[in-house]
Amino acid sequence: EAGVAQSPRYKIIEKRQSVAFWCNPISGHATLYWYQQILGQGPKLLIQFQNNGVVDDSQLPKDRFSAERLKGVDSTLKIQPAKLEDSAVYLCASSLGQVKETQYFGPGTRLLVL
Amino acid sequence: GESVGLHLPTLSVQEGDNSIINCAYSNSASDYFIWYKQESGKGPQFIIDIRSNMDKRQGQRVTVLLNKTVKHLSLQIAATQPGDSAVYFCAENIKGTYKYIFGTGTRLKVLA
Repeated sequence: EAGVAQSPRYKIIEKRQSVAFWCNPISGHATLYWYQQILGQGPKLLIQFQNNGVVDDSQLPKDRFSAERLKGVDSTLKIQPAKLEDSAVYLCASSLGQVKETQYFGPGTRLLVL
Repeated sequence: GESVGLHLPTLSVQEGDNSIINCAYSNSASDYFIWYKQESGKGPQFIIDIRSNMDKRQGQRVTVLLNKTVKHLSLQIAATQPGDSAVYFCAENIKGTYKYIFGTGTRLKVLA
């Protein structure tokens, strides 16, 4: 079974530029998560989708971050404009969609904002 | 959990010894817990989970202990191997939600 796919793996941009990340979850997984992981810290949830609907985006900085999952499968996370403090690894995870289901993580996109 | 920035707690163990990694969770309403292993440049990988109606669960070379009284979780790794070197995170799931909260992580270094 293929795992969670993410692209790109690495991205370097200058502050105030825009960037987008893509995630393809495990086939059949209804729940999709985007996390931000700053170096040396645990992942922090940004947004959670159940199919194509948003379940939790309480920690998403909505003035600059946006995410969508239009057909309930792939998802994109966008930052516009980027700030220096956005430098982090952006992890996508998916699960079957029931409470207490294990999340499976992708390899992440490492973003460096200069 | 609190952030420790670049200074992750580190546990160094000799190859072949047992390792114990601890985690204090924050929410008494959490009823499902997962331990993840994260190697450099990779996403977190599921190791073992435990539900709040259990105190102990065993896997292959790993055991998770849950003490709900003091909101403490531990991961025991038997006969630690060089491939166990990684950062280990605990994650708690708040009852009735899909939300997971991750701890700050512990770096395990296995000494040859």
